[in-house]
Amino acid sequence: GESVGLHLPTLSVQEGDNSIINCAYSNSASDYFIWYKQESGKGPQFIIDIRSNMDKRQGQRVTVLLNKTVKHLSLQIAATQPGDSAVYFCAEHSGNTPLVFGKGTRLSVIA
Amino acid sequence: GAGVSQSPSNKVTEKGKDVELRCDPISGHTALYWYRQSLGQGLEFLIYFQGNSAPDKSGLPSDRFSAERTGGSVSTLTIQRTQQEDSAVYLCASSVRTSGGSRAFFGPGTRLTVL
Repeated sequence: GESVGLHLPTLSVQEGDNSIINCAYSNSASDYFIWYKQESGKGPQFIIDIRSNMDKRQGQRVTVLLNKTVKHLSLQIAATQPGDSAVYFCAEHSGNTPLVFGKGTRLSVIA
Repeated sequence: GAGVSQSPSNKVTEKGKDVELRCDPISGHTALYWYRQSLGQGLEFLIYFQGNSAPDKSGLPSDRFSAERTGGSVSTLTIQRTQQEDSAVYLCASSVRTSGGSRAFFGPGTRLTVL
């Protein structure tokens, strides 16, 4: 399949460690944020979302943190597994505007 | 239920030819997006349909690109007189707005190669 993220920032993590992927967003009016995971040759897959009235949301092995003061979003993955290897994108949304995506980070899990 | 589907999955065409890419969104989703992703790059917004509102075409790179959404469901992205720089994966997504947000779901994409 097609490889994505060849020229994107890369985070290498040892299997079993926690991963933290960061994203700076641009629009202070954005009120909704999503993290997506994209594996090679596939479309982006929804992971977790958060609204601007929250600063933390937890899912299964994932946590999203939102800092509106500095317009920063992070995705934490606990006990990273080889299957977590992919490119991760954050996306922001405001009102009826389209989703705007960040540049993406490639997560590489070392077994 | 069925997710977003796109066809064809792969398309190879010659420079100067027109191509049509199809997207079938999730039933009931009012919003539909088209994005383009070049190799090793992020997602580039192309066009956004939201209900009966006029589409947001601000991301279309040139007048060779156009899209329609018929009956609030299926969408077709048309590229006329294709150029080699149009080679990319074209991704479609759909969403429905709820009190929690507008969670968009993506199709698998159409890989377009212009020779």
